[in-house]
Amino acid sequence: AQTVTQSQPEMSVQEAETVTLSCTYDTSESDYYLFWYKQPPSRQMILVIRQEAYKQQNATENRFSVNFQKAAKSFSLKISDSQLGDAAMYFCAYRTQGGSEKLVFGKGTKLTVNP
Amino acid sequence: GAGVSQTPSNKVTEKGKYVELRCDPISGHTALYWYRQSLGQGPEFLIYFQGTGAADDSGLPNDRFFAVRPEGSVSTLKIQRTERGDSAVYLCASSLRSSGRRGEQFFGPGTRLTVL
Repeated sequence: AQTVTQSQPEMSVQEAETVTLSCTYDTSESDYYLFWYKQPPSRQMILVIRQEAYKQQNATENRFSVNFQKAAKSFSLKISDSQLGDAAMYFCAYRTQGGSEKLVFGKGTKLTVNP
Repeated sequence: GAGVSQTPSNKVTEKGKYVELRCDPISGHTALYWYRQSLGQGPEFLIYFQGTGAADDSGLPNDRFFAVRPEGSVSTLKIQRTERGDSAVYLCASSLRSSGRRGEQFFGPGTRLTVL
């Protein structure tokens, strides 16, 4: 079974600075997707960024980028120019290809952005 | 278009009671998922529907939990004889199809269930 580990329960960053959230995962599959979701206090899970395992190029979405190291099974999220609105819980998730394609989540990292 | 909606937003019940949680997926989405998020944890998979059928119910914790999706749209998660340990946020997600990029799951705001 796949597992996802987020080793940082909490992180903080100053507004306009850069922060990196860590995620590692375990799988025996070669083809899969990885995601970072943001969950504000409203509880709504919002997709931040996705990475397809067969793509070597790291995904980027505006201020958000990932460092995907397939061999090391590492998938970190970098947030540049942090904004107050970035404060939330961030969850790393793994999705298998085929079958139910359910998401397996880590325990999350609470990000605080200080003005 | 409207996103995934869930009702009620909050539900408080007493131990031993029966509850139903409703999910309205995005129109046209054939795949529907239920997840449970306990305090301080990430969401955990409960059940997956493709159309009307439960294609994967391996995440249901026991036989007190049951879900239906009779017309391939709205889904109801049913919990019998609720226990305090069932207290959690129940999240629903839907996707266009369970394949590739179009398999992106869109989440609803969840139902917070509290069992007293």
